[in-house]
Amino acid sequence: NFMLTQPHSVSESPGKTVTISCTGSSGSIASNYVQWYQQRPGSAPTTVIYEDNQRPSGVPDRFSGSIDSSSNSASLTISGLKTEDEADYYCQSYDSSNYVVFGGGTKLTVL
Amino acid sequence: QVQLQESGPGLVKPSQTLSLTCTVSGGSISSGSYYWSWIRQPAGKGLEWIGRIYTSGSTNYNPSLKSRVTISVDTSKNQFSLKLSSVTAADTAVYYCARDGGPGGIFDYWGQGTLVTVSS
Repeated sequence: NFMLTQPHSVSESPGKTVTISCTGSSGSIASNYVQWYQQRPGSAPTTVIYEDNQRPSGVPDRFSGSIDSSSNSASLTISGLKTEDEADYYCQSYDSSNYVVFGGGTKLTVL
Repeated sequence: QVQLQESGPGLVKPSQTLSLTCTVSGGSISSGSYYWSWIRQPAGKGLEWIGRIYTSGSTNYNPSLKSRVTISVDTSKNQFSLKLSSVTAADTAVYYCARDGGPGGIFDYWGQGTLVTVSS
C-alpha cells in the first residue's frame, strides 16, 4: 500500500523558515500531484498548496511547495513564520489506483 | 460560494450502521466534473479518506473500509450520503464531507465536520 510519511512535529521561531517533508513509500511521488492542507484546532482542513506547488487565492506567498524526485519527497516550506501559522499540516496524493492517500500530519509549533 | 453540511446521529451503537448525509448548498451537486468525498478523523489523529462518489453514481472506496462502506447520491436533494456498517469504537471520529476534484484534484470545499461516537 502506498503511504506518505511526515514528521510528527516541527517547531521554529517567528520570522524563520520551516520545511515539512512528505515521503512516498513506493513508486515515484512525482507521478501524482501532491496537495498540502492546513488544519487549525476544531476546524476543517483548508488547502495551502495544490498540484505540488500552486497556491490557492488568498494563501500568502510565504507558503511554497516542491517535489524532490531523488528523495521521493514533497516539501511544504513556510517562510517568515507567524504565530497564526501554528497548525497541523497534511500532505495528500494518490496511489496507483487513484485512491486518496493522506500523510499522517505534522504539528507545527511557532514559538 | 459552495457550502457543505453534515448531518446524522452523533451516537451509534457497536455493530450497528452509521449513517450520515451531506447537504450541498450554493451550487448544484451535478454541475462541473466534481466528485464528493467522505473523510474522517479520530480525535488527535490524522485524516483518513473513506470514499467518493461521482454524480453518475460511480464510487471509489478506501480498500481498508470497502467491505463496510456505501456512498450514495441524491441529486434531487443536492445531497450525498455515507453508510458504514458493523461499526466499532475504532470508527469513532469526526466525519467530514468534501468536494473532491477527483484523481489529481483537490478537496476545495469541506463541511464543518460532525462527531460520531460509537458506544453502547
